Amino acid sequence: QKEVEQNSGPLSVPEGAIASLNCTYSDRGSQSFFWYRQYSGKSPELIMSIYSNGDKEDGRFTAQLNKASQYVSLLIRDSQPSDSATYLCAVRTGFQKLVFGTGTRLLVSP
Amino acid sequence: GAGVSQSPSNKVTEKGKDVELRCDPISGHTALYWYRQRLGQGLEFLIYFQGNSAPDKSGLPSDRFSAERTGESVSTLTIQRTQQEDSAVYLCASSTNRANEQFFGPGTRLTVL
Repeated sequence: QKEVEQNSGPLSVPEGAIASLNCTYSDRGSQSFFWYRQYSGKSPELIMSIYSNGDKEDGRFTAQLNKASQYVSLLIRDSQPSDSATYLCAVRTGFQKLVFGTGTRLLVSP
Repeated sequence: GAGVSQSPSNKVTEKGKDVELRCDPISGHTALYWYRQRLGQGLEFLIYFQGNSAPDKSGLPSDRFSAERTGESVSTLTIQRTQQEDSAVYLCASSTNRANEQFFGPGTRLTVL
């Protein structure tokens, strides 16, 4: 079982819809969770970090964490074509290195 | 302030040559990471530095790969006797400490002919 799993996609949504990106992780002791966005040919860019169960909102982005289910998600409201990118989930346990999923490709059609 | 910088941005080399890639972390960031990303693939962890502690080299794919960092400053990733499978984007990231968010540099695209 991979440490951090994401559906590779592509996830296709129409402009204005809500995009829901999901990530599961294997280490129940994981404590820090991050979402990165990576445009084609560019380096990853940090979008959100979340450390506690529940929701964390930042603009059009909401990160959701459920440690009991070992599940973290990213919701993008009012999706725009400029949101089309690969979204990477990353998980850290204590002071271990950050472990990345392979990413979900999101396509937002006009 | 300046972000993480990497040089060169692109490097084309011949099989068997050695290459050196450079990373300048964000000032004050004690942790520095190197990753490799092959075309269309995910991030592959290579090595991690935290202050003066012994580096975590668990991701280095072979003894042709090595990295150095002096204190909390610049790091260099060296690949000896390059092979075509080394072709990838090499990304560097830094953070304030092991528990905080990582910020990535623009990467070095390495092409081995």
